[in-house]
Amino acid sequence: ILNVEQSPQSLHVQEGDSTNFTCSFPSSNFYALHWYRWETAKSPEALFVMTLNGDEKKKGRISATLNTKEGYSYLYIKGSQPEDSATYLCASNTGNQFYFGTGTSLTVIP
Amino acid sequence: ETGVTQTPRHLVMGMTNKKSLKCEQHLGHNAMYWYKQSAKKPLELMFVYSLEERVENNSVPSRFSPECPNSSHLFLHLHTLQPEDSALYLCASSLRWSYQETQYFGPGTRLLVL
Repeated sequence: ILNVEQSPQSLHVQEGDSTNFTCSFPSSNFYALHWYRWETAKSPEALFVMTLNGDEKKKGRISATLNTKEGYSYLYIKGSQPEDSATYLCASNTGNQFYFGTGTSLTVIP
Repeated sequence: ETGVTQTPRHLVMGMTNKKSLKCEQHLGHNAMYWYKQSAKKPLELMFVYSLEERVENNSVPSRFSPECPNSSHLFLHLHTLQPEDSALYLCASSLRWSYQETQYFGPGTRLLVL
């Protein structure tokens, strides 16, 4: 079993603030890193798939970076909005297995 | 909507019951997955099917029996479950079974075993 860790476990930010959180994973046998956004009572929604060291991906106000050598990825949200409130999951893929973190729960206060 | 549906959304069953969870995808994908999420634990991959063949089975007890009759449908047959099997069961699909393919998830079935 691969340990994928996410921090913080939860956070509350004011509307308009920018925020970021971390996904840590073992750097050996790494194939890809996936980020998902999961709103309560809905399906997890894919945000990014990253494979290369130094990868940076962006989708609107959300962006992510990847460091495969040290085994971490950051997810950034610029100018948080209440609709960004969700749990953000990362998953590391080792080729034929997906290992998920327990997520970071984000609450954006209007 | 992700194009992946799951039924039922909620299920309560006794330990001696037999029930099935159903997943259907309308995306033309060739790979389908079952995941389990127990309380306060990460999502755990249970089974992977690619082109209707099972390609991964992560040491899941035999009381969980998957079936993939075609590339659009995936079932999880449940029998003689234990209370600790109570969890959220998520289905997902992807275009191919590959580490870099995006997975599309269904909304899950919340299962309670009494």
